[in-house]
Amino acid sequence: GAGVSQSPRYKVAKRGQDVALRCDPISGHVSLFWYQQALGQGPEFLTYFQNEAQLDKSGLPSDRFFAERPEGSVSTLKIQRTQQEDSAVYLCASRTSSGLTNSPLHFGNGTRLTVT
Amino acid sequence: QQQVKQSPQSLIVQKGGISIINCAYENTAFDYFPWYQQFPGKGPALLIAIRPDVSEKKEGRFTISFNKSAKQFSLHIMDSQPGDSATYFCAASGETSGSRLTFGEGTQLTVNP
Repeated sequence: GAGVSQSPRYKVAKRGQDVALRCDPISGHVSLFWYQQALGQGPEFLTYFQNEAQLDKSGLPSDRFFAERPEGSVSTLKIQRTQQEDSAVYLCASRTSSGLTNSPLHFGNGTRLTVT
Repeated sequence: QQQVKQSPQSLIVQKGGISIINCAYENTAFDYFPWYQQFPGKGPALLIAIRPDVSEKKEGRFTISFNKSAKQFSLHIMDSQPGDSATYFCAASGETSGSRLTFGEGTQLTVNP
């Protein structure tokens, strides 16, 4: 079946613009995560959903970052008034269950955001 | 606060050799330790994972060794192949950290033919 799908693959935004990044998780996956990966670094946790409930948003770097998953499937990460330090690859991942370690995390290929 | 430290940052190995990547963690509540492989332009993909109730897990050419007392774990790639050239990340998670994975900084592995 299809894996985690993210769009767009690349996004260039001028500083101050708002952007919206989309994630289509694997069908039926309960848990959805957003991570931010700076160049040459490991992914950093942003936020976590279980179905439509956002259970952990402690990794969001500022109130300019907002994520939603209104129907428990597709998720959108929105960044308002983008800054150059927001430039990174944004990765979405999903997992079949809410169990912490019982099912592997499947990552999408990410959206590379460049803020100019 | 970097809770998972990974070394080396880069590694060059000859084809057929053994690649060894090390990680150390601080949070004793971590109880799940996966390794991810990432190719350029792709998302990380789970390679192998271990829980602290065993000291070693092997899957094909990939082995995780785990030392709970030292809070360290390592990935060994036997008979390394050019196709193994990628960036490898160790990670850890536990009940007290919720469902999030904490990743190491990554190791860029190059296997020369």
